[in-house]
Amino acid sequence: EIVLTQSPGTLSLSPGERATLSCRASQSIGSNYLAWYQQKPGQAPRLLIYGTSSRATDIPERFSGSGSGTDFTLTISRLEPEDFAVYYCQQYRGSPRTFGQGTKVEIK
Amino acid sequence: QVQLMQSGAEVKKPGASVTVSCKSSGYTFTNFGISWVRQAPGQGLEWMGWISAYNGKTNYAQKFQGRVTFTTDTSTSTAYMELRSLRSDDTAVYYCARDSNYYDPNWFDPWGQGTLVTVSS
Repeated sequence: EIVLTQSPGTLSLSPGERATLSCRASQSIGSNYLAWYQQKPGQAPRLLIYGTSSRATDIPERFSGSGSGTDFTLTISRLEPEDFAVYYCQQYRGSPRTFGQGTKVEIK
Repeated sequence: QVQLMQSGAEVKKPGASVTVSCKSSGYTFTNFGISWVRQAPGQGLEWMGWISAYNGKTNYAQKFQGRVTFTTDTSTSTAYMELRSLRSDDTAVYYCARDSNYYDPNWFDPWGQGTLVTVSS
């Protein structure tokens, strides 16, 4: 099973700041097999990024993904008030599909 | 628009079974698969497995093998998840989510609203 480790666990930032979230895989998953989701309290997750760097429908340009092999990054260029949430990475290179434990982006 | 609508909350006793339904609309059901993901209170996301709505092929996470069954009803565009021999640690919100295609689970979009299953004596 491919284990995904996200860091940091919590990111405390102010609106307008840049957020950089990390996702590290326990083995190489190539360059196209990673997705990112956003989850707000009481809501279902929402797809942000698939294929490591492709934005899902209606996702703002301030969200971007990058990486390959074992190290991946989700960047939010300038945090908007609605971006404070928990973010999960997910790999689909191996079975079972697995998620990271999440990074909470909170208002500083 | 694409929507997945799940059945309501359930309370079950240990050892019982639960079935959660997930009705799809706004797209051709058989062109995609459905994955099931659960989230225990205050915890992260756990993929349980996948079913192709095209041919009924399934892929269960080993952790749930033998205890879970996924089915679909293409006449009503509905997917079902049955979990048996419930334990207290099965208490969670269960989500269905549409897969990116019908032949392999990749990314999941969109998700149902979630169904809370509480296992308690």
